[in-house]
Amino acid sequence: QSVLTQPPSVSAAPGQKVTISCSGSSSNIGNNYVSWYQQLPGTAPKLLIYDNNKRPSGIPDRFSGSKSGTSATLGITGLQTGDEADYYCGTWDSSLSAEVFGGGTKLTVL
Amino acid sequence: QVQLVQSGAEVKKPGSSVKVSCKASGGTFSSYTISWVRQAPGQGLEWMGRIIPILGIANYAQKFQGRVTITADKSTSTAYMELSSLRSEDTAVYYCARALGSHAFDIWGQGTMVTVSS
Repeated sequence: QSVLTQPPSVSAAPGQKVTISCSGSSSNIGNNYVSWYQQLPGTAPKLLIYDNNKRPSGIPDRFSGSKSGTSATLGITGLQTGDEADYYCGTWDSSLSAEVFGGGTKLTVL
Repeated sequence: QVQLVQSGAEVKKPGSSVKVSCKASGGTFSSYTISWVRQAPGQGLEWMGRIIPILGIANYAQKFQGRVTITADKSTSTAYMELSSLRSEDTAVYYCARALGSHAFDIWGQGTMVTVSS
């Protein structure tokens, strides 16, 4: 059982937009920065979003992040077949004194 | 650009220990923290603990307290994760990752598969 809650799967057609939610509590998302990771099959996770809404160099602006209260959202526009992957949210949990992740969301581009 | 290069796959017997290394190639650890995250087959990401290499201070997830030891050798820019009393549930890919100040992991190692089987 993950500390952060994500939907197990989402899907959308190429070119469309999709959002992935991440729900937590005041001890994690509510008072700490959220990051998002993309994991393609058989590879290590890759940082997509940090500090709630910042993109590392090289990440296209099709990817965006936002946070409100104890929830965060990853948005992906202009979906491509290459975006098919598992997506994870992560943050620090001040009560657990530990990094915590969501259970992951599998994105299917139909 | 710094890369994290991990040691190779391991097969271990239940009850034994495994030690995985993570070397910073093309740079040093500098003042960043290095965390270890594992992923069991078909499962999500699980944080195990971290170390600040320049200070040698480590802290661990409660689940792994007493069973995991994370160390670092500043002279070789290498971090290590040792997990003891292995059981089948420890079969997983183990990643090291560098953390930014806000806890985001910006650089990941390629992963090390650890299989625990009798």
